[in-house]
Amino acid sequence: GENVEQHPSTLSVQEGDSAVIKCTYSDSASNYFPWYKQELGKGPQLIIDIRSNVGEKKDQRIAVTLNKTAKHFSLHITETQPEDSAVYFCAARGRDDKIIFGKGTRLHILP
Amino acid sequence: KAGVTQTPRYLIKTRGQQVTLSCSPISGHRSVSWYQQTPGQGLQFLFEYFSETQRNKGNFPGRFSGRQFSNSRSEMNVSTLELGDSALYLCASSLLGSANNEQFFGPGTRLTVL
Repeated sequence: GENVEQHPSTLSVQEGDSAVIKCTYSDSASNYFPWYKQELGKGPQLIIDIRSNVGEKKDQRIAVTLNKTAKHFSLHITETQPEDSAVYFCAARGRDDKIIFGKGTRLHILP
Repeated sequence: KAGVTQTPRYLIKTRGQQVTLSCSPISGHRSVSWYQQTPGQGLQFLFEYFSETQRNKGNFPGRFSGRQFSNSRSEMNVSTLELGDSALYLCASSLLGSANNEQFFGPGTRLTVL
């Protein structure tokens, strides 16, 4: 089945700087890659997703890139703000239609 | 539109007991998925129900089961609880299925097994 690796597990960046989180997947048939943000005491919330027929997608300060050949995808957050502090999860949908999540990245925005 | 609701929010049980968790999806959503979240294993897929039928299943023992009712509400049951079952159990609803549609997560049920 699908396996998703996510790095780093913890990331600290100065407010206003950019943050990058990287994920790799194993199933070459995977074609849907969502990213979720989880704040303390809440369930994960979808922030952006990308499908395999697209190489990049952007939504304001958030962008995701996908490299199908290398089987990796990344989340980019620019001009980080205090409210960006949270745990971020990447995920991939495998050929069996299951959504498999990475282990998460705890992002700290430093003042 | 009301979000996904889960009850109870917190639960304490002892080993060997069983537990039932409930999830009410967003109105109109027909798919409900369940996930177990632990610090060590992260978010792991348990199962997905669509129109009262189990559509997909993760790699969990048979002690974990679920069902979906005609109104799309779903329950999951864990029998013969073990200490390792302590986790946050999340349910997520989607319009037609998690494979092609955005999933909306509830706040979770925090289960502690003593």
